[in-house]
Amino acid sequence: GEDVEQSLFLSVREGDSSVINCTYTDSSSTYLYWYKQEPGAGLQLLTYIFSNMDMKQDQRLTVLLNKKDKHLSLRIADTQTGDSAIYFCAERDSGYSTLTFGKGTMLLVSP
Amino acid sequence: DVKVTQSSRYLVKRTGEKVFLECVQDMDHENMFWYRQDPGLGLRLIYFSYDVKMKEKGDIPEGYSVSREKKERFSLILESASTNQTSMYLCASTKAGPGGTTEAFFGQGTRLTVV
Repeated sequence: GEDVEQSLFLSVREGDSSVINCTYTDSSSTYLYWYKQEPGAGLQLLTYIFSNMDMKQDQRLTVLLNKKDKHLSLRIADTQTGDSAIYFCAERDSGYSTLTFGKGTMLLVSP
Repeated sequence: DVKVTQSSRYLVKRTGEKVFLECVQDMDHENMFWYRQDPGLGLRLIYFSYDVKMKEKGDIPEGYSVSREKKERFSLILESASTNQTSMYLCASTKAGPGGTTEAFFGQGTRLTVV
């Protein structure tokens, strides 16, 4: 079955860049997603990338996809304390549109 | 501009009780999902439904059942709640079909404590 792996914790200082990494196993994934979860809240879509793209930039967010290595990363430029949250990587299957999530990376931004 | 609504934010139930968690979406989405979220384990899929009255088991369906009588509503049922079902439960919905990004919209979550 599909599996999505990501590191569990990342700590950075305000103003630095953050890079959160993710690996996945399903080579038929069509879309890959990054979701953000703030304390006590549900998940909110941050950005996504289609599997035939290598990179996508959206303001402070840059997504890199290495399809050969099945590696996805999310770079947050000029990280702010408000970026502190759990970030989930997810892949979408080609059937029922179910999403398989990683365990989440807790990003802690210190002033 | 609430799109996916879960009936309760916090719930405390006793062991052995029958528990209903309700989820309603207003986007006319075909697919609906129930996940549970536990520290260190991420989101695990319990059940999903791709149409009214249709359901499919996810990765951890044991101890749960679901009901989808109307397109907008997807209920998660704990027939006899146990303490190991204490968790955060998240409902989500997506539009069906291969086109588009199929963004999943999530509810705010229900934190269930079984005592």
